[in-house]
Amino acid sequence: EAGVTQFPSHSVIEKGQTVTLRCDPISGHDNLYWYRRVMGKEIKFLLHFVKESKQDESGMPNNRFLAERTGGTYSTLKVQPAELEDSGVYFCASSLREGGNIQYFGAGTRLSVL
Amino acid sequence: AQSVTQLGSHVSVSEGALVLLRCNYSSSVPPYLFWYVQYPNQGLQLLLKYTSAATLVKGINGFEAEFKKSETSFHLTKPSAHMSDAAEYFCAVSVHSGGYQKVTFGTGTKLQVIP
Repeated sequence: EAGVTQFPSHSVIEKGQTVTLRCDPISGHDNLYWYRRVMGKEIKFLLHFVKESKQDESGMPNNRFLAERTGGTYSTLKVQPAELEDSGVYFCASSLREGGNIQYFGAGTRLSVL
Repeated sequence: AQSVTQLGSHVSVSEGALVLLRCNYSSSVPPYLFWYVQYPNQGLQLLLKYTSAATLVKGINGFEAEFKKSETSFHLTKPSAHMSDAAEYFCAVSVHSGGYQKVTFGTGTKLQVIP
């Protein structure tokens, strides 16, 4: 069974540019989560989808971040325009709807904004 | 609200020595507790979890953790460190909120194993 996959693994962009991160959850997992880790700090929750609906987006930093999950399968996280402080590792996780207390994580996307 | 404190951002042990990574949590409701590990260039992998059953939890690769409610701790241990244990370890607390489990992570502890 394939795990959670994220693309790209690493992205280097300049301040002001746009970047789109993609996450493919484990097949059948209704719950999809985005997290971010800024260097040296804790992994922080960004938002949570149940199928295609945003359940909780309280962790989104500001309106430069837009997450979508059309069709309830893969999800994208767009940063537009990117700022220096957006640099970090973005993790995606997924879990089953029922008994979904275990979240399975992807390898993350390392975003560097120069 | 819940929180996690991991004592020591870097821990070094000799190969064969005891590994002890500390984690304290705060939660207003009974939590689930987890340890995740991240090996270089890999995702977060679940090491073990506590979900209100046995307080001593055994995980993969010889790791175990004990839930101590009185101390609000969930320290991770392994009797004998291997070189392959070098990685970053994250303690996490999860509580049921709004119909799903909301996870809060600690800042992570990098484990170095010295030959």
